[in-house]
Amino acid sequence: KAGVTQTPRYLIKTRGQQVTLSCSPISGHRSVSWYQQTPGQGLQFLFEYFSETQRNKGNFPGRFSGRQFSNSRSEMNVSTLELGDSALYLCASRLQTRDYGYTFGSGTRLTVV
Amino acid sequence: AQSVTQLDSQVPVFEEAPVELRCNYSSSVSVYLFWYVQYPNQGLQLLLKYLSGSTLVKGINGFEAEFNKSQTSFHLRKPSVHISDTAEYFCAVSDSTGGFKTIFGAGTRLFVKA
Repeated sequence: KAGVTQTPRYLIKTRGQQVTLSCSPISGHRSVSWYQQTPGQGLQFLFEYFSETQRNKGNFPGRFSGRQFSNSRSEMNVSTLELGDSALYLCASRLQTRDYGYTFGSGTRLTVV
Repeated sequence: AQSVTQLDSQVPVFEEAPVELRCNYSSSVSVYLFWYVQYPNQGLQLLLKYLSGSTLVKGINGFEAEFNKSQTSFHLRKPSVHISDTAEYFCAVSDSTGGFKTIFGAGTRLFVKA
């Protein structure tokens, strides 16, 4: 069974640009969550989607947005990139929002220059 | 709101020695607790989870954890570590007040020395 797939693995963008990251969950998993991981802040929750609806949101500015498609694939978008957005972005899926335990992808390493 | 504190940022230990990684949580309702491991340049992998029932939980790779409600702790243990256990370990909590979103601790870097 294929795991959680995140694309691309690495990305370099310039300040002010926007970026879209993609996540394909494990087949049958309907919940997709996104986390930002940085050395200083650790793992910060961005948002969770279930059946195309945002169920939970973390404390990030509106520049961070996401969506989920009918096949459960998810994308997150960051507009007007700042240097501080440089991070590892991790996607995690689970069967439902109350299911217990995530399966994580390998992440997208975003560098903003 | 729930929160997680991992009491040690780094834990160096010799190969074949026992290890304990400490985790305390804060929540006003029943919680679900997890330990994840992250190897370099990879995502996180679930080691074990406590949902209910027996307070001693066994996971993969010989790890186990004990849920202690009175001390609000969920410490991770392994009786004998290997070089390959060198990684970052994250404790996490989830409860109904947060809509079952999972909050992670800051992580503990386990370094196993030969």
